[in-house]
Parts: sequence; structure tokens; C-alpha cells
Amino acid sequence: SQTIHQWPATLVQPVGSPLSLECTVEGTSNPNLYWYRQAAGRGLQLLFYSVGIGQISSEVPQNLSASRPQDRQFILSSKKLLLSDSGFYLCAWRQGASPLHFGNGTRLTVT
Amino acid sequence: AQSVSQHNHHVILSEAASLELGCNYSYGGTVNLFWYVQYPGQHLQLLLKYFSGDPLVKGIKGFEAEFIKSKFSFNLRKPSVQWSDTAEYFCAVVESGYSTLTFGKGTMLLVSP
Repeated sequence: SQTIHQWPATLVQPVGSPLSLECTVEGTSNPNLYWYRQAAGRGLQLLFYSVGIGQISSEVPQNLSASRPQDRQFILSSKKLLLSDSGFYLCAWRQGASPLHFGNGTRLTVT
Repeated sequence: AQSVSQHNHHVILSEAASLELGCNYSYGGTVNLFWYVQYPGQHLQLLLKYFSGDPLVKGIKGFEAEFIKSKFSFNLRKPSVQWSDTAEYFCAVVESGYSTLTFGKGTMLLVSP
């Protein structure tokens, strides 16, 4: 069966520090991969998605970037975090017309 | 661009009350529709989905949703809620054949015992 792993679960980082959140999927090949940010009262905002290795689509211009170095690995990064980057980040995968499957999320607090 | 509207941001019900959460979307073509639920402290999980066929779909835990194409709606219902249904509920839409889902802003349901 397919599983999705996302880490870390929580992260506290100072302003200006770099960020790297990692997500891996097991049990499937060539999935579509997604990074969402969830904010209270604002639902889920799609940040990036990828349909293949090295293919990244950005939905919202901001201080973040994403990379897909391997088929089942999706990384969310920042060179210098801002206070406004605080939030709850969710990785998800999907294949074909299947529903999205979400990871457990990462609570990022930028201080 | 697609948009998804969930009309109620917060809903408070007593146990055994009936539930209906509204969801409307903007796209006029063929869509796939989903409801996701996030229980306190847990990850998002799929409640039910509609791809084609019978517009009344049944999901887990006694939930159902009805797709009404003419109204661009996919409302979530449950005849009798329980305290354990306290959670945030998200409606999502994707155009058939496309990669990205568009989510509503969510509805926080609080069921009082």
C-alpha cells in the first residue's frame, strides 16, 4: 500500500534562516506531488506541484521554492525565512484521477 | 480560474442534529468532487468523492453528499451528528484530467454532547 512521510512534524526557525521540509511517498511510482499551506479560515493554498522529476509548477510567488530530485521525493525550501512563512505545511500525492492523499503536516513557526 | 465556496465557516450543532454543509464551485465543465475531513490533531483524510454516476455518494462514518450539476453544488450531509464528528471539513474540486485540486476555505464543525 502507498504511504506518505513528511518531516519534521514541528519546526521553530529564526527569521532569515534556511528551510528544508521533506516529503517522500512509498508504494507508487511517478505520482503527482503537492505542497499546500493551511491557514485558519483560509483553507488550503496550493504552493507547488510536480508531475515528474525536476518538473515544478509554482502557484503562488513567494519566498519559497520546491524541488523534486527523485521520483518520490518532494522538498520545500527557503533560503531566508520570513515571519509570514509561519504556518502549517502539507505534502500530498495523487495518481491519475485518484483523490489527494495527505501527509501529517509540518507546523512551522518563524520567530 | 476555479473557485470553491463553503458558505459556513463555523457550525455548532447538538448531538443527533442533522448536518448540511454547503459547497459550490465555479467551473462549468466536468469535475471531480471531494470532501475531506481533519479531526483535531490529525491529518486530512478523504471523506467521500464523486467522479461520475449516481450523484448521491456515500462516504465513511455515515456521511453523504449530493452532486447537483445545475446548481454547481456538492453539499455534505449527515442525518444525525455525533460528538466525534467535531472537525474541520473541506470541499475540493478538480477539473477532469487536470492535476490540481482547488479547496474551499473549510468549515469548522463543533458538536456539543
